[in-house]
Amino acid sequence: DTGVSQDPRHKITKRGQNVTFRCDPISEHNRLYWYRQTLGQGPEFLTYFQNEAQLEKSRLLSDRFSAERPKGSFSTLEIQRTEQGDSAMYLCASSAGQRNTEAFFGQGTRLTVV
Amino acid sequence: KNEVEQSPQNLTAQEGEFITINCSYSVGISALHWLQQHPGGGIVSLFMLSSGKKKHGRLIATINIQEKHSSLHITASHPRDSAVYICAVRSGTSGSRLTFGEGTQLTVNP
Repeated sequence: DTGVSQDPRHKITKRGQNVTFRCDPISEHNRLYWYRQTLGQGPEFLTYFQNEAQLEKSRLLSDRFSAERPKGSFSTLEIQRTEQGDSAMYLCASSAGQRNTEAFFGQGTRLTVV
Repeated sequence: KNEVEQSPQNLTAQEGEFITINCSYSVGISALHWLQQHPGGGIVSLFMLSSGKKKHGRLIATINIQEKHSSLHITASHPRDSAVYICAVRSGTSGSRLTFGEGTQLTVNP
């Protein structure tokens, strides 16, 4: 297992288009997180899954954003009708079992909306 | 005011210098993480701690729960240590998610 992988690494899209990102966590990890990071800032929480259940969503996750983890393994994050303000790095992280375990991060997907 | 504050925002050092990055938080926490982020975005976990002190190679992390403060120290700094260092906390009320500081950009010159 090579860790958390995200695809694509970079995405340039025109305003108004829909985009979908994928995250493959470490295989035995049941917890999966999505964060968003804008330039010069720390990451901000978007949403969290335990297995296939989406247990927490940030107010940052507007109705244009949807995330799924249908089989409790990989996850997708979709942004509909993208806006320039959606331009950011989208980070996925996974962790195992108990609450206070180490989180492992993917390389991120950098989205640019033009 | 952010729940997690880091200082300094930017730090430039000469190779070999001892470096300290500070993190203060305003909420009760169950764990504090120090993370390293290189250009291109990937984040690597350096430490997770809830009390005391941890050491890994040239890196040392300490936490004072009563004062709600943590420090990351780098001894004998090297240009390859240049990166953004981020403090993140898992609070008692935020479930499993992390709340991040804004990061400290460290540049170590040869």
